[in-house]
Amino acid sequence: KAGVTQTPRYLIKTRGQQVTLSCSPISGHRSVSWYQQTPGQGLQFLFEYFSETQRNKGNFPGRFSGRQFSNSRSEMNVSTLELGDSALYLCASSQGTDGNTIYFGEGSWLTVV
Amino acid sequence: AQRVTQPEKLLSVFKGAPVELKCNYSYSGSPELFWYVQYSRQRLQLLLRHISRESIKGFTADLNKGETSFHLKKPFAQEEDSAMYYCALSGRAGGFKTIFGAGTRLFVKA
Repeated sequence: KAGVTQTPRYLIKTRGQQVTLSCSPISGHRSVSWYQQTPGQGLQFLFEYFSETQRNKGNFPGRFSGRQFSNSRSEMNVSTLELGDSALYLCASSQGTDGNTIYFGEGSWLTVV
Repeated sequence: AQRVTQPEKLLSVFKGAPVELKCNYSYSGSPELFWYVQYSRQRLQLLLRHISRESIKGFTADLNKGETSFHLKKPFAQEEDSAMYYCALSGRAGGFKTIFGAGTRLFVKA
């Protein structure tokens, strides 16, 4: 079956702009999680959606937001971009219950200039 | 609080040498523990999980509840093992989210 798909793969934005990233989970998966990956900070948990509801949230400012649609597809939005938001944003999906393996997409590379 | 600690950012070993990547965790309850791996130019993927008790690509990991550790081991490292390794946990007490350690880059020298 198809894996987790993220779009766009690469993008460059200017400080102050906003960006929306999209994630299509594996068919049948109800949980979608978002992570920020940087060389210095590793994998930082942003938030997790399960059945269209935000179930968990990491320690990121309110500029980072997300949502999940009824077909489990998810989007994350970053408003008022800062240089420090430059990172690889990873989406992962799972069935969302106890001890499930999560499956990652290839990520969206965001560069803020 | 949930936390995963990988004390080594970089581990360099020679081909054929044993390798151990350390992972310690802090969790209220009984978490499920995982090792994920990211090879060059590939997506992050599951290597093994505690509940399966499998050996994958020669790697094993033993859960030590007393020491709250889940170290990854391989008796004879291969060059193709060079990658970024992340220890992770999830569980009911944490709302089922998966938390990752900072990762250890393993470099296997010829």
